[in-house]
Amino acid sequence: LAKTTQPISMDSYEGQEVNITCSHNNIATNDYITWYQQFPSQGPRFIIQGYKTKVTNEVASLFIPADRKSSTLSLPRVSLSDTAVYYCLVGPTGANNLFFGTGTRLTVIP
Amino acid sequence: EPEVTQTPSHQVTQMGQEVILRCVPISNHLYFYWYRQILGQKVEFLVSFYNNEISEKSEIFDDQFSVERPDGSNFTLKIRSTKLEDSAMYFCASSPPATPNNEQFFGPGTRLTVL
Repeated sequence: LAKTTQPISMDSYEGQEVNITCSHNNIATNDYITWYQQFPSQGPRFIIQGYKTKVTNEVASLFIPADRKSSTLSLPRVSLSDTAVYYCLVGPTGANNLFFGTGTRLTVIP
Repeated sequence: EPEVTQTPSHQVTQMGQEVILRCVPISNHLYFYWYRQILGQKVEFLVSFYNNEISEKSEIFDDQFSVERPDGSNFTLKIRSTKLEDSAMYFCASSPPATPNNEQFFGPGTRLTVL
C-alpha cells in the first residue's frame, strides 16, 4: 500500500478556497486516489476519487499531476460547516478495505 | 437518501462482557465492513464481509471478534470478552455491487465504552 503524507492541520477563513495536498511517492499503477471527510463524532464520507489529471464534482476538485506522486484536494469557498478531518487514501479501486491515515484537520474560521 | 444505521449509539459495558453492535446497511448493498476509531486516533479497518463470509480481516480482528448477517437486513459485530482497549467508536459501512470507485457508505457509529 502506498504511504500517504498530509499536513496535520490547516486553518482557513470562510469564503476562501482551500487546497490540501497529499504526497504518495510510492503509488502503484493500479492505485486510485480517494478523499474522505469526517466530521466530529460521525463516520467518514466519500468526497471524490481520481486516477489522473483533474476530477470535479459538486463538492470538490481533485488535481493529480502527471507523475501521480501527489494530489491536491481543492474546496471552493469553504464555510464553517467544512470544518472536518480530510483523509487522502491510495489503493486499487473496488478495494475490500480502506486504510486511513491521520488526515488533515481543517478548521474554518469566521 | 438511504443511510447506514447503527444501534446503539452508545454502549457501556464491563470488562469481560460480550457486546453485540448492530448495523443495518443500505438495502441494495452487498459488501459490508466494520471499522473502529479509538479516540483521537485514525480509522482502522477490522473486517469486510461479502456473500455471507468474511472476505478480508485485519490483525485487530482476532478470535474475540465475529461478524454475522443473521437476516436480510442486519449486520452485527460481536466482541466476545471485551477489554479496556476495545473502547472506541465502531463504524459499519456498506458499498454497492460492482462499485466503480472506493466509495463506502458509513454509519454514524457506536461508541463503545469498556469499564
